[in-house]
Amino acid sequence: QVQLQESGPGLVKPSGTLSLTCAVSGGSISSSNWWSWVRQPPGKGLEWIGEIYHSGSTNYNPSLKSRVTISVDKSKNQFSLKLSSVTAADTAVYYCARFIVATFWNWFDPWGQGTLVTVSS
Amino acid sequence: SSELTQDPAVSVALGQTVRITCQGDSLRSYYASWYQQKPGQAPVLVIYGKNNRPSGIPDRFSGSSSGNTASLTITGAQAEDEADYYCNSRDSSGNHLFGGGTKLTVL
Repeated sequence: QVQLQESGPGLVKPSGTLSLTCAVSGGSISSSNWWSWVRQPPGKGLEWIGEIYHSGSTNYNPSLKSRVTISVDKSKNQFSLKLSSVTAADTAVYYCARFIVATFWNWFDPWGQGTLVTVSS
Repeated sequence: SSELTQDPAVSVALGQTVRITCQGDSLRSYYASWYQQKPGQAPVLVIYGKNNRPSGIPDRFSGSSSGNTASLTITGAQAEDEADYYCNSRDSSGNHLFGGGTKLTVL
């Protein structure tokens, strides 16, 4: 059973870079799935950030694309998120999730437990 | 429109049936998936595809779709079903979309 676990600093200074890692256990990151980051500001809804395939192919939310980099480390079975030039608006719980693609439908499962990142000086 | 629209809040009496809807143009091309999120917890997949439930999800949860609207139905709502529910799909560019979420209250 695949499990995901986010890790990284819980506090980032404004204008700095947010860096998170998602460790994948119970399965291979080289399987035929995409690996995603989703965030949720306090009291608000879910926002997709981007995704990566084990080949290194990426897709990003157009609204964040200029600041986002997602990478994969197959040797460590993990993938990472970097979000640059952060502001208070980037304060959120950040989730990693596996995205499964079938012919006419697709879904996120499982999700990591999430990690709160606060942007503050 | 590249958005998914959900009612912000819905309530249901204990044991009754409730339908949570999600509207968006992308739903004409892609099935929605549905996620349940309880306070302080990560989202959990409850419905995907035409009407598929992951292992461990009670059969009182079901999904349907017609035109630009996807629906999540809970038949015989239980107190533990009180949560936020989010729909998800993709737009024509392949970007992922989430609805704004529906807060379900079980009375």
